[in-house]
Parts: sequence; structure tokens; C-alpha cells
Amino acid sequence: KAGVTQTPRYLIKTRGQQVTLSCSPISGHRSVSWYQQTPGQGLQFLFEYFSETQRNKGNFPGRFSGRQFSNSRSEMNVSTLELGDSALYLCASSSGQENTGELFFGEGSRLTVL
Amino acid sequence: AQSVAQPEDQVNVAEGNPLTVKCTYSVSGNPYLFWYVQYPNRGLQFLLKYITGDNLVKGSYGFEAEFNKSQTSFHLKKPSALVSDSALYFCAVRDRIRASGTYKYIFGTGTRLKVLA
Repeated sequence: KAGVTQTPRYLIKTRGQQVTLSCSPISGHRSVSWYQQTPGQGLQFLFEYFSETQRNKGNFPGRFSGRQFSNSRSEMNVSTLELGDSALYLCASSSGQENTGELFFGEGSRLTVL
Repeated sequence: AQSVAQPEDQVNVAEGNPLTVKCTYSVSGNPYLFWYVQYPNRGLQFLLKYITGDNLVKGSYGFEAEFNKSQTSFHLKKPSALVSDSALYFCAVRDRIRASGTYKYIFGTGTRLKVLA
């Protein structure tokens, strides 16, 4: 069974640009969550999508957005990039059902904003 | 508010010695607790979880964790550390969002484990 796939793995942008990151979950998983990982803040929850609907949202500004497609693949977008957006962005999938719980993470997309 | 604390930024242990990585939590109701490991330039990998039942949970790579309700702790342990265990370890709790009936995960800030040869 293929794992969670994130693309691109690495990217460099400049301030003011926008970026789109992609995540393909494990087959059959309907929940996709996004996290921002930085050395000082650990993992910060961005949002979760389930069956194409945003189910939960963290405390990030509106520049951070996402969506989920009918095949459960998800994208997140960051507009008007700032230096502080430099981070590892992790996607995690799960079945979304109550009785499981563990998340399956991709290897992440490392974004550097210059 | 629900929270997870990992009080140590880094833990150093000699190869072959037992290791403990600490985690405490604050959550209402019965907690769902998790440990994940992250190797350099990789995503997080699930190690083990506690939902209910036996307080000692066994997981991958010889790791185990002990749930202690009175101390609200869920420390990760391994009887004999390997150099290859060197990585970043995250404790997490699943928090139920009452308004929506859904869940979100709260992660600790991580503990870097360094096993010395």
C-alpha cells in the first residue's frame, strides 16, 4: 500500500509570491490534515479536510488555504509569502473514523522563503 | 485547554542503556495518546498509542509507553537504546472538538533523542 505522497519535496520562493503544495493520501483514507513544522514551534495544525469539506481549522491567517478533491487528494496554498512561512509542511492522512486514530504522515514539503 | 508537554528538548543516553522520553498531558475526558518519531528530512512515523486498557503499551522498534492517569503522563521507554534510535520524538493527544464532534491532534514540541555509541 503506497504511503502519503507530498510534492514538491523542496522549494524556494521569494517574499510576496504564492505557493501550492500537494498531498496524496493513503488509498481509502478520507481525512487529510496539514501541519506546519518549525524548529521553535513544533507542529502547528493548519487544517483538516474530510470528504472535500474543511472539518477543522487551526489559528493561521487567511493567507493559508486548502482544498480537497473528490479522490481525497489535497492541496494547500499560501499567498503573499512571508519570511516566517519558511517551514516544513507536513500532510497526514487517516481513515477519519473514530476507532483508529493514528495519523500517517508524508515526508513533507520544505519551503524556503527568501 | 488541552495541551501536551515534553519538558526536555534533548535527551542523551549511552547505547545499551534504558531510555525515557517524558510527556505529560492535560485533557478532559479519557485521552487518546500517541508517540511519533521523526528521522532527519522525513515525516513523522507512528510508534504507539494508548486508547484504553493496559497501561503499558508496546509499539514499534521495541518502544513502549506507560500511561499514568494520576500523574497525567505518557512516558516513552525502551530497555536498551540503539544509536539508530537517535531522532526527534513527538507526543500527541487527540482532542475532541465538542461543537463539531470531530477531533484534532495536539502535538508536543518534540524531544531530540541522542544515543551515544
